[in-house]
Amino acid sequence: ELKVEQNPLFLSMQEGKNYTIYCNYSTTSDRLYWYRQDPGKSLESLFVLLSNGAVKQEGRLMASLDTKARLSTLHITAAVHDLSATYFCAVDEYGNKLVFGAGTILRVKS
Amino acid sequence: GAVVSQHPSWVICKSGTSVKIECRSLDFQATTMFWYRQFPKQSLMLMATSNEGSKATYEQGVEKDKFLINHASLTLSTLTVTSAHPEDSSFYICSARDAGRTRTEAFFGQGTRLTVV
Repeated sequence: ELKVEQNPLFLSMQEGKNYTIYCNYSTTSDRLYWYRQDPGKSLESLFVLLSNGAVKQEGRLMASLDTKARLSTLHITAAVHDLSATYFCAVDEYGNKLVFGAGTILRVKS
Repeated sequence: GAVVSQHPSWVICKSGTSVKIECRSLDFQATTMFWYRQFPKQSLMLMATSNEGSKATYEQGVEKDKFLINHASLTLSTLTVTSAHPEDSSFYICSARDAGRTRTEAFFGQGTRLTVV
């Protein structure tokens, strides 16, 4: 059974600082997703990582995937208040279903 | 990206009544749709996988007689919460994959906030 562990579960950051969210998964998969969720809203797709070594960047967020280590990271550079949200990673169980991590609540303080 | 429309976005119902939530893929056909439930400050939990023209596959612990899923066409799946109780109050989210393209990402609906009073 595929399990996805995400940490930290809560992250309080100062504006301008950098930090990384980690996503580990237990069985082989070559497809991983990062989503953002604002309070009361559904999921917003951030990144789709399709292969080992994939790296994608959008603004202050950068995601990477290491399929051999079964690890993905979401790096936040110079955080701003607008990045406050809950971030989820999800791993594709070979086209069947997505298994989600517990989520990381990010709060960026001024 | 592809659009998945979920309706209603919120609903309040009385205990004992039933509520139907619709999930439509607007610009693609979806052989498979997924239904998730999310409690406050928790992650998404898959309830069931809805397959067009066949019975849904329910995750362990999800009552199939309480959460009725119908996937009558390639663009529409419905979730009916029968005899709703306050503990069914939650955020329900559907997602769909494009049937015409193998292993594409799943697209998510806007979610439905169900409150049972």
